[in-house]
Amino acid sequence: DQQVKQNSPSLSVQEGRISILNCDYTNSMFDYFLWYKKYPAEGPTFLISISSIKDKNEDGRFTVFLNKSAKHLSLHIVPSQPGDSAVYFCAASVQGNQFYFGTGTSLTVIP
Amino acid sequence: DGGITQSPKYLFRKEGQNVTLSCEQNLNHDAMYWYRQDPGQGLRLIYYSQIVNDFQKGDIAEGYSVSREKKESFPLTVTSAQKNPTAFYLCASSIIGREQFFGPGTRLTVL
Repeated sequence: DQQVKQNSPSLSVQEGRISILNCDYTNSMFDYFLWYKKYPAEGPTFLISISSIKDKNEDGRFTVFLNKSAKHLSLHIVPSQPGDSAVYFCAASVQGNQFYFGTGTSLTVIP
Repeated sequence: DGGITQSPKYLFRKEGQNVTLSCEQNLNHDAMYWYRQDPGQGLRLIYYSQIVNDFQKGDIAEGYSVSREKKESFPLTVTSAQKNPTAFYLCASSIIGREQFFGPGTRLTVL
């Protein structure tokens, strides 16, 4: 049973606009969340994290929002750049122990 | 220059053969992990280890074995008992409870 879901397999956005990637989870015990970016045939690269004591964390062009009541988190990329084109995975854990990954969303930024 | 290395990048094996995938890290991380990625799926945890000489099964451990004789090394053996071994294998390491850093991956193909 998939505890972390990314319901949009793909997303296309114009360069300079905002990209919003969504992630839902089912386990209310999850308290630490990560976003990764992955290019084909490479390992994922860590982007940004958020713990359940916060509802927002920002790092440059990347912002992650957490809505605990809805069990939903999102990654905002502003402004989007062609180099952001990749697959994005969210992951969730209880206190940083075993992480559960979503199935990924493929982002294409159109120049 | 710290990081995680996996070798080889591509590996071919005949059915019925065991094969060992290498993972080494020089980040001084206590925790190490093995994941498997299949097309259209997220990363699924095979095994993880938080201390030398100890490891835990993940969600899909059947047909795999690991060892953790040194802090820096966490090799994964894909045995002939693994029914569908063709996949992209990713190794990761972390400070316990923190974000994981991934190696470049090994593509295993069973002929």
